[in-house]
Amino acid sequence: AQSVSQHNHHVILSEAASLELGCNYSYGGTVNLFWYVQYPGQHLQLLLKYFSGDPLVKGIKGFEAEFIKSKFSFNLRKPSVQWSDTAEYFCAVYRGSTLGRLYFGRGTQLTVWP
Amino acid sequence: EPEVTQTPSHQVTQMGQEVILRCVPISNHLYFYWYRQILGQKVEFLVSFYNNEISEKSEIFDDQFSVERPDGSNFTLKIRSTKLEDSAMYFCASSKSGTGINQPQHFGDGTRLSIL
Repeated sequence: AQSVSQHNHHVILSEAASLELGCNYSYGGTVNLFWYVQYPGQHLQLLLKYFSGDPLVKGIKGFEAEFIKSKFSFNLRKPSVQWSDTAEYFCAVYRGSTLGRLYFGRGTQLTVWP
Repeated sequence: EPEVTQTPSHQVTQMGQEVILRCVPISNHLYFYWYRQILGQKVEFLVSFYNNEISEKSEIFDDQFSVERPDGSNFTLKIRSTKLEDSAMYFCASSKSGTGINQPQHFGDGTRLSIL
């Protein structure tokens, strides 16, 4: 069955630390990949997306993610986190064979201490 | 920036009652979706809707669920006879075209549904 795994459930960092959140998926066909962020009390916002081309994609607020097809991974990174990055982060996968259905990971809660 | 809006933000309903969750997608979007997230679990797809009909539905979306676009702006999710396990956060989303054509989905704030 299609699954999206986010192995880190809760990550706690100090400001200026580097961040990497893992995301792996199990589907072998064509995929589009997304990271969404949910700040406390707000809706899911698109952080970045991969559709094709350069596997290193840059998103908003200094985030980037790298698609490694051979590893079925799409890890999210940020070189230096800020307190305002405290939020829940969701990886999502779109399979080319469906009509818009996104498969989500469980989410990673990031807490950044000032 | 245009947003997807959902009402109400919190709905409390007795088990067995019908509930309607409302969404106003972004105005020039053509594809609409409902997802739900049970507390502590993943966000799960329920249904996608295009051109006034369901495009795809998940195994969760059984006969108790229905969706409708009653006018040019609203998109509703109805649960006919609610069960305790329907308690969850329900998210509406919309996109300009199908997600595979370089158009991401935009999400609303969600409606927290509590079944007593």
